[in-house]
Amino acid sequence: DQQVKQNSPSLSVQEGRISILNCDYTNSMFDYFLWYKKYPAEGPTFLISISSIKDKNEDGRFTVFLNKSAKHLSLHIVPSQPGDSAVYFCEASEDYGQNFVFGPGTRLSVLP
Amino acid sequence: DGGITQSPKYLFRKEGQNVTLSCEQNLNHDAMYWYRQDPGQGLRLIYYSQIVNDFQKGDIAEGYSVSREKKESFPLTVTSAQKNPTAFYLCASSTPGRVEGYTFGSGTRLTVV
Repeated sequence: DQQVKQNSPSLSVQEGRISILNCDYTNSMFDYFLWYKKYPAEGPTFLISISSIKDKNEDGRFTVFLNKSAKHLSLHIVPSQPGDSAVYFCEASEDYGQNFVFGPGTRLSVLP
Repeated sequence: DGGITQSPKYLFRKEGQNVTLSCEQNLNHDAMYWYRQDPGQGLRLIYYSQIVNDFQKGDIAEGYSVSREKKESFPLTVTSAQKNPTAFYLCASSTPGRVEGYTFGSGTRLTVV
């Protein structure tokens, strides 16, 4: 049973438009969420995080939104750039770091 | 520059052989982790270590072993008992609490031939 789901295996977006990547979770005890970006043949790199006491966190072109009642978080990239093309993983954890679970990832392609 | 080094990048193993994947970090992180990635799945935790000379099993520890004799090093041995070892292996480290997530290595792709 997947506790963290990313239902879109892939997403294509035109350069300059908004990319929205979604992540759903089932465990209401999760209280800290992170997004990672992964290029081929490299390890994931940390992108942005949000704790359950917030519903939005912004860092430059990247914004993460958390809807606790729906157990849903999303990553918005505005404007999308070709260099954003990568696989994006969401991670959820309890107690700010314990019981961490990754989603399967969404491959984003930003088309020039 | 600080970071995590995994070696080798590609590794081929014959069935029935043990193989050890290296992971070294110079970030002064206390915690280190090994993950496995298979197509269509999220990263799955194999083993983790919060401190030197101590480690715990993750979700899929069977067929794997680790050691943590030094803070900087967390090698993973894939034993012949691992039934499906072909995968991409990622090592990571973090500060306590992982407020900024993990720092990952670039991974090792293991193929059993």
